[in-house]
Amino acid sequence: AQKVTQAQTEISVVEKEDVTLDCVYETRDTTYYLFWYKQPPSGELVFLIRRNSFDEQNEISGRYSWNFQKSTSSFNFTITASQVVDSAVYFCALSEPARGSYIPTFGRGTSLIVHP
Amino acid sequence: DAGVTQSPTHLIKTRGQQVTLRCSPKSGHDTVSWYQQALGQGPQFIFQYYEEEERQRGNFPDRFSGHQFPNYSSELNVNALLLGDSALYLCASSLSRQGRLADTQYFGPGTRLTVL
Repeated sequence: AQKVTQAQTEISVVEKEDVTLDCVYETRDTTYYLFWYKQPPSGELVFLIRRNSFDEQNEISGRYSWNFQKSTSSFNFTITASQVVDSAVYFCALSEPARGSYIPTFGRGTSLIVHP
Repeated sequence: DAGVTQSPTHLIKTRGQQVTLRCSPKSGHDTVSWYQQALGQGPQFIFQYYEEEERQRGNFPDRFSGHQFPNYSSELNVNALLLGDSALYLCASSLSRQGRLADTQYFGPGTRLTVL
């Protein structure tokens, strides 16, 4: 079973639309970390956010917001008023303790295409 | 502040050959992790180096080996290349502090390896 599931393979929206990228994770640990990364066509993974398992506060950063719900094991990412520059592949990742180190496990990614 | 750098950007090899990829971590970081990202997939963890030793390893054969130097830079070596080794190889750096090994990983732009 996948530890991180991003069920949406590809999402296509028109500029200025709001879009939510889903992420569902699976873990037995009580301490863990969740991340979102953005991968534009250039290939570099750009860190967006990190959230630890004890902090369920939602986060807002400009047009980006994240909704962390432990009850449903979800960590969804919303882009408000999308722009063409938001076009990229977005990865959700789960980091659990293993042999003293936390190595993130990535989902398969959601490709977001924003049309002008 | 220099980010994570990788070289070369692109590489073309033939089956059976050997390849060495290089990574310099973000300034102030001491831990380097390597990932393989096949087309349309999320990054898969290969191994992590800290204090010049391999600290953790993912599910990759011994053909994949690495090294970390005293200046924290790292190399990834792949022997006896297979067609299936064609992928984007990403390096990530982080800071391992005593008792806290869950720091955020920051990624480089990657090396795209093509095996013919």
